[in-house]
Amino acid sequence: QKEVEQDPGPLSVPEGAIVSLNCTYSNSAFQYFMWYRQYSRKGPELLMYTYSSGNKEDGRFTAQVDKSSKYISLFIRDSQPSDSATYLCAMTISGNTPLVFGKGTRLSVIA
Amino acid sequence: ETGVTQSPTHLIKTRGQQVTLRCSSQSGHNTVSWYQQALGQGPQFIFQYYREEENGRGNFPPRFSGLQFPNYSSELNVNALELDDSALYLCASSLVGQSYGYTFGSGTRLTVV
Repeated sequence: QKEVEQDPGPLSVPEGAIVSLNCTYSNSAFQYFMWYRQYSRKGPELLMYTYSSGNKEDGRFTAQVDKSSKYISLFIRDSQPSDSATYLCAMTISGNTPLVFGKGTRLSVIA
Repeated sequence: ETGVTQSPTHLIKTRGQQVTLRCSSQSGHNTVSWYQQALGQGPQFIFQYYREEENGRGNFPPRFSGLQFPNYSSELNVNALELDDSALYLCASSLVGQSYGYTFGSGTRLTVV
């Protein structure tokens, strides 16, 4: 079993839809949970990070962490064609440890 | 200069050769990490440098080595290239103790033939 599991998709949705992206993990020591967006031929761009359990909202994006279920989610409201990218979840034990990434989910938002 | 810059953007090498990839960290960041991203996979941690010393390493062989310079720029060196080394190599910088706040560069696409 990999430490972080993420469905690679691809996921295709119409413009304006609500998108739900998810990851599960096995290491209960993880405390920081990140979502990155990666456009083709670019490096990952940090969207949001959450410490421990709970929700965090930033504009159209909401991140949720459920440590009891070892499950994290990213919701995108009112999705736009410009949201088309690969979304990577990542997590780490502390600020001094490296990130462990999921495989990434490829999202296409169709106009 | 803001952001993380990497050079070159693309590189083609022959199996058995050696390669050096370069990274300029974001201004103010004192920690640099390198990741390897194979096609269709998430990035995998290679190693991290702080104060010009390696202070963390992933599951990569010794032929992967690095340097960090006093101005926080960094190099990744790979010796005896293998076909499986073909990947996107990403440099990420952060303040020490804030790996959750990485800024990534756009990467170097290495193809080994």
